[in-house]
Amino acid sequence: EAQVTQNPRYLITVTGKKLTVTCSQNMNHEYMSWYRQDPGLGLRQIYYSMNVEVTDKGDVPEGYKVSRKEKRNFPLILESPSPNQTSLYFCASSFDWKETQYFGPGTRLLVL
Amino acid sequence: GDSVTQMEGPVTLSEEAFLTINCTYTATGYPSLFWYVQYPGEGLQLLLKATKADDKGSNKGFEATYRKETTSFHLEKGSVQVSDSAVYFCALSDEGGGGNKLTFGTGTQLKVEL
Repeated sequence: EAQVTQNPRYLITVTGKKLTVTCSQNMNHEYMSWYRQDPGLGLRQIYYSMNVEVTDKGDVPEGYKVSRKEKRNFPLILESPSPNQTSLYFCASSFDWKETQYFGPGTRLLVL
Repeated sequence: GDSVTQMEGPVTLSEEAFLTINCTYTATGYPSLFWYVQYPGEGLQLLLKATKADDKGSNKGFEATYRKETTSFHLEKGSVQVSDSAVYFCALSDEGGGGNKLTFGTGTQLKVEL
């Protein structure tokens, strides 16, 4: 089944404790992206990747890191989480950034 | 820069009512337009899209027409069901907009009651 998977789905952590949210797709997509969803703000892009080893900042990259060592995986790293990073995070992938994006189920993060 | 404006929610309708969710956009190029739907507890999924002016996207009884003259892409459905309750996002991709990404509206929550 074609899908985008994210882990974990739910996470409660404390300020400053490094964490990684994994994202994997099995559709051989070149483009992958991370978004955060906050009430009243819609979806805002954090980082994106056009292909392996090619990543770039989106609209709200501060406090986040990403890597793209393999085509299928695009982890999101929070080196020192803060409470303002409490949010719902989505990973998405597509063949091309202009085309239909396929979203993962989301990761709900609470930073205390 | 590019932007998408959607009507505020929540929108509450009775089953079988007519639905319109307004979406207008600003873009520097010739964007493709999308409607995504997010059911409770799930990720977004594509509902329909249109890639050029006057195109009509349709799926599951929903329709939207790409109107370049009014820069709009309003979502409509003739008879909503309880199962249509979800959050609907209008989005665009614009090669001339700078940045390789979709630009999303803030989302409109739809609640359909019996």
